[in-house]
Amino acid sequence: DGGITQSPKYLFRKEGQNVTLSCEQNLNHDAMYWYRQDPGQGLRLIYYSQIVNDFQKGDIAEGYSVSREKKESFPLTVTSAQKNPTAFYLCASSSPGQAQVYGYTFGSGTRLTVV
Amino acid sequence: GQQVMQIPQYQHVQEGEDFTTYCNSSTTLSNIQWYKQRPGGHPVFLIQLVKSGEVKKQKRLTFQFGEAKKNSSLHITATQTTDVGTYFCAGIFLIQGAQKLVFGQGTRLTINP
Repeated sequence: DGGITQSPKYLFRKEGQNVTLSCEQNLNHDAMYWYRQDPGQGLRLIYYSQIVNDFQKGDIAEGYSVSREKKESFPLTVTSAQKNPTAFYLCASSSPGQAQVYGYTFGSGTRLTVV
Repeated sequence: GQQVMQIPQYQHVQEGEDFTTYCNSSTTLSNIQWYKQRPGGHPVFLIQLVKSGEVKKQKRLTFQFGEAKKNSSLHITATQTTDVGTYFCAGIFLIQGAQKLVFGQGTRLTINP
């Protein structure tokens, strides 16, 4: 079955550490996205990539970095510069020609907690 | 920047009652999408509206897109316990030829059986 796999499901980070969240899709989608979800605030866009080897900052990119070396993979690194990283992180993908029917496909998320 | 406001933030109803959530944008939207997120889960795409004044139905769910393409609503008739979750609208803006999806804050629906 096609879909998006995010790992790990839960992640604990110590102050000052960088951590990387994995996102892999086998849907052959060109576009991939990272969102952050905080209680009562909906989803906010961190970074997005519309094609391999290219990505753009979203609304809250500070303290985060990404790479898009393969079509299937879009890992997110939460750096020590991100002062309040505790949140639920969601990866999504879409195909421009199919968005009207299928929308964005989301992974099951990674819950990051600073300890 | 682009913002999509969604109200109410929370709604608690008795099973069998109707439910409505509303989205508003200060600028014209290209399209609007609706998602449902079950407790502990991830958002799942429900529908996309494209045309001004469009109305679409999915069983007990009715989705509307305003004439000016600045507002939208989701109405659930006769709620059931399976409807529990958070409903998000997501406005699509065209920015320099690229589509940008901006989510509303969501409406969390709880139901008393």
